[in-house]
Amino acid sequence: EAEVAQSPRYKITEKSQAVAFWCDPISGHATLYWYRQILGQGPELLVQFQDESVVDDSQLPKDRFSAERLKGVDSTLKIQPAELGDSAMYLCASSPAGATDEQYFGPGTRLTVT
Amino acid sequence: DQQVKQNSPSLSVQEGRISILNCDYTNSMFDYFLWYKKYPAEGPTFLISISSIKDKNEDGRFTVFLNKSAKHLSLHIVPSQPGDSAVYFCAANNAGNMLTFGGGTRLMVKP
Repeated sequence: EAEVAQSPRYKITEKSQAVAFWCDPISGHATLYWYRQILGQGPELLVQFQDESVVDDSQLPKDRFSAERLKGVDSTLKIQPAELGDSAMYLCASSPAGATDEQYFGPGTRLTVT
Repeated sequence: DQQVKQNSPSLSVQEGRISILNCDYTNSMFDYFLWYKKYPAEGPTFLISISSIKDKNEDGRFTVFLNKSAKHLSLHIVPSQPGDSAVYFCAANNAGNMLTFGGGTRLMVKP
């Protein structure tokens, strides 16, 4: 069964350092999402891509976060510099074009900033 | 401003009994509602959904009820099984736009 892949699964970094997460969506899924889930809360959308284009990044803290999906397949989310408040689970999801209700999530990357 | 709220952070149920998880929303423009289940160290997985034109959708042991006038939906699991122990997220969207998630309810089904 096709799955969304994410790496690394866990990341510990010191504040002010740069960190990057990678996501490989299900093959053929045109839409890719990055979510942040703080412990005890639900996932919050950071950025949504349709192919290689950003559809919604209104909740992305653009002073320190960046995301790209250069060839419309896999994607990278970067934080520079990391802050203590960035400690969270970062989830990637994908869906077929036009079917945003059918989102398939990866296992996530647990980020701890010390 | 939380548009989707799950007011019970946790729920404990005996195996074989019914589990009822509740969700309230404030945005009357939401037209599609979903429930996701999340095990530790895994991403959320889709469980069941309901369109705003319906008031009930059933899939095996899982049934979702929607009360639009009260802006309330609930997930019923009957009978509950220990393997159902997980965090359940309610989510909603409007015309295919971004999903808005609730804070989750941790369900514990005791053998």
